[in-house]
Amino acid sequence: GAGVSQSPSNKVTEKGKDVELRCDPISGHTALYWYRQSLGQGLEFLIYFQGNSAPDKSGLPSDRFSAERTGGSVSTLTIQRTQQEDSAVYLCASSLGQVSYEQYFGPGTRLTVT
Amino acid sequence: AQSVSQHNHHVILSEAASLELGCNYSYGGTVNLFWYVQYPGQHLQLLLKYFSGDPLVKGIKGFEAEFIKSKFSFNLRKPSVQWSDTAEYFCAVNADFGNEKLTFGTGTRLTIIP
Repeated sequence: GAGVSQSPSNKVTEKGKDVELRCDPISGHTALYWYRQSLGQGLEFLIYFQGNSAPDKSGLPSDRFSAERTGGSVSTLTIQRTQQEDSAVYLCASSLGQVSYEQYFGPGTRLTVT
Repeated sequence: AQSVSQHNHHVILSEAASLELGCNYSYGGTVNLFWYVQYPGQHLQLLLKYFSGDPLVKGIKGFEAEFIKSKFSFNLRKPSVQWSDTAEYFCAVNADFGNEKLTFGTGTRLTIIP
């Protein structure tokens, strides 16, 4: 079946602009996660959703970052007034909803802020 | 908050050599532990996981890892590597039950020389 998909695959934006990154999880997966992968930084947790609610938003770096999930499916990560330090690969993952279940990762969105 | 350390940033081995990648975590309680792999151009995928029971866990492609609680370690091993094992390897921990997020290490890049 289809895996986790993310769009766009690449995004180049100017500093100060807003961007929206989209994640389509695997059908039936109730949990959805956003991570950020920066060069030499590993994967940094941003936020996770259980259904449409976000029990943990502690990883969002600043109030310029927000995310929502609708219908228990698609999620959008929005970055307002982008800065150069926001440049990274943003990864989405989904799972059946308990940590014992494997998290399936998407291909990521490479964001470059110029 | 938990943290994960992977001290080997880049490992270069010849085919058929034995592999051990280090992973240490900082958390005194019960943990769930994971190794993920990212092959060139591919998504992150799960190699193996430990939740409870036998501390020696076996994963895909001949990999195994041993959980040593007294050392807060979960090292990844493979007796004989192949060129196709060239990839980036990430150790991750979940140590906050009820919270599904994973904390990842910075990754180890493994290069296998034919």
